Amino acid sequence: AQRVTQPEKLLSVFKGAPVELKCNYSYSGSPELFWYVQYSRQRLQLLLRHISRESIKGFTADLNKGETSFHLKKPFAQEEDSAMYYCALGMDSNYQLIWGAGTKLIIKP
Amino acid sequence: GAGVSQTPSNKVTEKGKYVELRCDPISGHTALYWYRQSLGQGPEFLIYFQGTGAADDSGLPNDRFFAVRPEGSVSTLKIQRTERGDSAVYLCASSLQSSGANVLTFGAGSRLTVL
Repeated sequence: AQRVTQPEKLLSVFKGAPVELKCNYSYSGSPELFWYVQYSRQRLQLLLRHISRESIKGFTADLNKGETSFHLKKPFAQEEDSAMYYCALGMDSNYQLIWGAGTKLIIKP
Repeated sequence: GAGVSQTPSNKVTEKGKYVELRCDPISGHTALYWYRQSLGQGPEFLIYFQGTGAADDSGLPNDRFFAVRPEGSVSTLKIQRTERGDSAVYLCASSLQSSGANVLTFGAGSRLTVL
């Protein structure tokens, strides 16, 4: 069955330190991976998607099909990065997204 | 409108009652989705509309749940004989087909509490 796993419910790092939010997926087809973010009192919004290969707000994520991972990384965390981060899996010919349970990122000053 | 609008933002009801949750998507977005998010979990897919028709309703948990989008814009999620387990935040999202089916713009959600 398709599944997205975010092993850390909570990740706390100091400002300026590197951040890595882990995401692993289970899907036998061709995956489309996304990171969505929800800042405090705001709506869930798209952060980045793997096919864009962009860096958004300093974050990057590389799809590793061998390890079935799509970890989100940022070299130097900022306080405004504190938020809830969700990894999501899109499957070919299917409009459903399968979501991880989310990781709460706290950046300490 | 400027964004996806959902009403009500909060709904408290008693077990066994009927509720309707409304979603007004971004103008021009043909795709509309309903997701449900329980505490401590990620969103869970319920139903997807392309235009007026439900293209995929495989996520609706049972026949107490029903959704419509009669004119291809506003959608209503209807829950009959509510149960305490239906308590969750119900999220609506819409997307432009050209931007990719899964690039979603979300509403603020409707928090449903069943007592």
